[in-house]
Amino acid sequence: GESVGLHLPTLSVQEGDNSIINCAYSNSASDYFIWYKQESGKGPQFIIDIRSNMDKRQGQRVTVLLNKTVKHLSLQIAATQPGDSAVYFCLSWEVNKLTFGGGTRVLVKP
Amino acid sequence: NAGVMQNPRHLVRRRGQEARLRCSPMKGHSHVYWYRQLPEEGLKFMVYLQKENIIDESGMPKERFSAEFPKEGPSILRIQQVVRGDSAAYFCASSPQRGNNSPLHFGNGTRLTVT
Repeated sequence: GESVGLHLPTLSVQEGDNSIINCAYSNSASDYFIWYKQESGKGPQFIIDIRSNMDKRQGQRVTVLLNKTVKHLSLQIAATQPGDSAVYFCLSWEVNKLTFGGGTRVLVKP
Repeated sequence: NAGVMQNPRHLVRRRGQEARLRCSPMKGHSHVYWYRQLPEEGLKFMVYLQKENIIDESGMPKERFSAEFPKEGPSILRIQQVVRGDSAAYFCASSPQRGNNSPLHFGNGTRLTVT
């Protein structure tokens, strides 16, 4: 059959507000997760990672939460800025490769 | 310390021509990964190479696509007899070690357009 491109879900957020981006994963054996940010015309850029023995990790303006019970990750961005406008991907390691989960487009409104 | 370098940034090929995409990993990195991205989609794994070895090519199309990472020089992703469906952004990433406990460092990609 013919493949159809998927449209990424979009999160619109007011500048200065907090953003929460969600991600579900399916492999319960995954033990390492990474969030990447991809701006238009660029490659994915590492934001923050978390291992399965943790449920929370904080970076500069970002926090990642991991709920292994329901296989869910979230990325929280504090005081969202125009430069945060991008597509955000969560990834997990599976055997020899990082596997991209669903992406979310974040649009920051001035 | 230069990041992952990919060239060319943009490549236009006519149907039936060959496309060669180059990737120089970060200094000290001997593991290279190639991904393909269609518009509005995530990146899809294609192949994982170490110096002179293909470790995992489970994401590579069976025909027309090949990859190498020689002892000296950049990694090359080669697409023979390109078709319009090959139009996409191709990203390379590198890491210093094999394993599942570190992030990959990505280049800014090569955007291939097949006319």
